[in-house]
Amino acid sequence: DIQMTQSPSSLSASVGDRVTITCRASQSINTYLNWYQQKPGKAPKVLIYAASILQSGVPSRFSGSGSGTDFTLTISSLQPEDSAAYYCQQSYSPPRTFGQGTKVEIK
Amino acid sequence: EVQLVESGGGLVQPGGSLRLSCAASGYTFSSHNMNWFRQAPGKGLEWVSYISSSSVTIYYTDSVKGRFTISRDNAKNSLDLQMNSLRVEDTAVYYCAREYGPARGPDDYWGQGTLVTVSS
Repeated sequence: DIQMTQSPSSLSASVGDRVTITCRASQSINTYLNWYQQKPGKAPKVLIYAASILQSGVPSRFSGSGSGTDFTLTISSLQPEDSAAYYCQQSYSPPRTFGQGTKVEIK
Repeated sequence: EVQLVESGGGLVQPGGSLRLSCAASGYTFSSHNMNWFRQAPGKGLEWVSYISSSSVTIYYTDSVKGRFTISRDNAKNSLDLQMNSLRVEDTAVYYCAREYGPARGPDDYWGQGTLVTVSS
């Protein structure tokens, strides 16, 4: 199975800050990397797919980059409603493994 | 509007069985591969099982092989997960999710989840 390592596991930032979350795959996954946001008690919601494509309806302050084994999710200007857990997921080969998650808190 | 609605969760004793269902609407169900995921209380997301659009290809995570069975009925727009020999460690919220059309696409729509609690 492909292992996904996400960091940090949690962070606290202020409104307006630039936030970066990283995800590393144990082998090359090309750009088959997706990012999800999950709020408490809710299902995950896809933000970014294919490493850098913004899902329809997702604010443009979210962006993704990377290929091969190293990927980044960036929130350019953190907003209060961005408080959530964020997960990376590889869809290169089954099983569709996830990173451990990053909990983003607003200071 | 795409909707996925899970049902069938509940409290069951270790060794028991449950059948989860996922009712799909708002899109052509038979054109999309489907997945079941789960999330144990306070934990991260875990993929459980996959079924291709025509049921030809099926996968399971190792921990449920031989105990869980995924199936779908394209005529009824429904996806099922038969769970037998349940263990305490199967306790989780179970989500069904639709794979985006292109191969290796994301899981772009998720149900609201159904809670399975395995406890004596």
